[in-house]
Amino acid sequence: QFALTQPPSASGSPGQSVTISCTGTSSDVGGYNYVSWYQQHPGKAPKLIIYEVTKRPSGVPDRLSGSKSGNTASLTVSGLQPEDEADYYCRSYRGSSPQYVFGTGTRVTVL
Amino acid sequence: EVQLEESGGDLVQPGGSLRLACAVSGFTLSSHWMIWVRQAPGKGLEWVANINKDGSEANYMDSVKGRFTVFRDNAKNSLYLQMNSLRVEDTAVYFCAADNLPAAAAYWGQGALVTVSS
Repeated sequence: QFALTQPPSASGSPGQSVTISCTGTSSDVGGYNYVSWYQQHPGKAPKLIIYEVTKRPSGVPDRLSGSKSGNTASLTVSGLQPEDEADYYCRSYRGSSPQYVFGTGTRVTVL
Repeated sequence: EVQLEESGGDLVQPGGSLRLACAVSGFTLSSHWMIWVRQAPGKGLEWVANINKDGSEANYMDSVKGRFTVFRDNAKNSLYLQMNSLRVEDTAVYFCAADNLPAAAAYWGQGALVTVSS
């Protein structure tokens, strides 16, 4: 099945920054500015934190930011806090079947 | 307050059928594309299907095409996922969500567990 590639894990100490990559192809990440990011804590529903590559929904702190270069999107979490420890998933529009695809997920650990 | 509540999750034998429902409140269902996303135990998120605002268009991931059908009843504020010919690999928590932002879902339910096992 289709899936965008993310590193399985990332970590940082409180106050530090961590960047998570999301690599796809020109048919998904590289072809459209419809990349979103979700944060998921264990046993909970995902929470939208970034949409349209760089935009933050209301209530999401500006220490979370998104970017894209070519076929790779990135999420940066600055000023790491204990509550940032969670799983993070990217999602991209594809334009062809399947219409959307998620990334493989990255577990962020705050040391 | 926005709420989405899935129901219908159950234990079913391989080859069986199940219908999930997603009841929404706090927003206008007819204003949004709706999606189903699943998560197998200990695994990542998987986009399953979506449906447009009036229910006239639906899209599916390849492995569920021909077996799953998504439909909606905007008058009843409800979204559905009919799952037929279920396989062991369909075992997962199924989330309904609203793509209320461009190609992004800020509204999510808490999920319904579907277990396919003999």
